[in-house]
Amino acid sequence: KAGVTQTPRYLIKTRGQQVTLSCSPISGHRSVSWYQQTPGQGLQFLFEYFSETQRNKGNFPGRFSGRQFSNSRSEMNVSTLELGDSALYLCASSIGQNTGELFFGEGSRLTVL
Amino acid sequence: AQSVTQPDIHITVSEGASLELRCNYSYGATPYLFWYVQSPGQGLQLLLKYFSGDTLVQGIKGFEAEFKRSQSSFNLRKPSVHWSDAAEYFCAVGAVRTAGNKLTFGGGTRVLVKP
Repeated sequence: KAGVTQTPRYLIKTRGQQVTLSCSPISGHRSVSWYQQTPGQGLQFLFEYFSETQRNKGNFPGRFSGRQFSNSRSEMNVSTLELGDSALYLCASSIGQNTGELFFGEGSRLTVL
Repeated sequence: AQSVTQPDIHITVSEGASLELRCNYSYGATPYLFWYVQSPGQGLQLLLKYFSGDTLVQGIKGFEAEFKRSQSSFNLRKPSVHWSDAAEYFCAVGAVRTAGNKLTFGGGTRVLVKP
């Protein structure tokens, strides 16, 4: 069974640009969550989607957005990039909405110059 | 608001020795508690979880954790460490019943294993 797949794995952007990250969950998993990981702030919850609906949102500005498609694949978008957005963005899938058992991808490492 | 504290940023242990990683949480109700491990360049992998019942839970890779409500702790242990256990370990808490799969993670403990 394939794991959680995130693309791209690495990317470099400049301030002011926007970026879209993609996540394909494990087959059969309907919940997708996104986390930001930085050395300073650690792992922080961004948002969770279940059945194409955002169920939870973390304390991030509106520049961070996401969506989920009918096949459970998810994308997150960050607009008007800032230097502080440099981070590892981790996607996690779960079979249901209320399990807490997350299966993480390897992440997309974003560097903002 | 819920929070998780992992007091030890780094721990160095000799291969074959025992390991204990500390985790303290703050949460208003009975928490859902988790330990995840992250190897270099990898995502996180669930080691074990506690929802209710027996306070000593067994996980994968020979790890176990004990929930102590009176101490608000959920410490992770392994009797004999292998070199492959070198990684970063994260404790997490979630209000799974009400907040879905939103987890609050601790800052992590990086484990180094000496030969």
